[in-house]
Amino acid sequence: QKEVEQDPGPLSVPEGAIVSLNCTYSNSAFQYFMWYRQYSRKGPELLMYTYSSGNKEDGRFTAQVDKSSKYISLFIRDSQPSDSATYLCAMTASGNTGKLIFGQGTTLQVKP
Amino acid sequence: DADVTQTPRNRITKTGKRIMLECSQTKGHDRMYWYRQDPGLGLRLIYYSFDVKDINKGEISDGYSVSRQAQAKFSLSLESAIPNQTALYFCATSDPGTGMSNQPQHFGDGTRLSIL
Repeated sequence: QKEVEQDPGPLSVPEGAIVSLNCTYSNSAFQYFMWYRQYSRKGPELLMYTYSSGNKEDGRFTAQVDKSSKYISLFIRDSQPSDSATYLCAMTASGNTGKLIFGQGTTLQVKP
Repeated sequence: DADVTQTPRNRITKTGKRIMLECSQTKGHDRMYWYRQDPGLGLRLIYYSFDVKDINKGEISDGYSVSRQAQAKFSLSLESAIPNQTALYFCATSDPGTGMSNQPQHFGDGTRLSIL
């Protein structure tokens, strides 16, 4: 069983839809949670960074962490065609190890 | 200009050849990382370096070696390339953070490597 599981999709939604992207994990030591966006032929770009449980909002993006369920989510409101990309969740334990564990990535297409 | 620059962007080579992928950064970060990305498997850590004198193996280091030539430069070598090393390779950097905190990583745009 992988430490981090992410539905690879692809996920296709109409413009303006609310998108929910999710990851589950098995290691209860994970404390730091990240979402990266990756456009075709580009490197992953950090979108959201959260510590422990709770919500964090940045514009149209909301990251949610539920440590009791070992489940994290990224919500995109009013989705745009420019949001079409692969979204990767990543996480790490405390201890300043710098070692990220990534999900497989979910490919999202937002249709105009 | 990109903060994390990888060269080459694309490379096609033959089985058994030695290959070096290079990474340089202008972010001033101490920590640097090499990952490979395969469809359905996400990003997996190959090697990481916390400073010039510190090199550590990651999840999948077999068949790879690295060199940290300076704070800003970290190269990945495949001594004798094999076809299952065909993948997208990414370099990343991060700040060391403080205390027990982990800092997010910043990625280059990758090298697409094909081994025939």
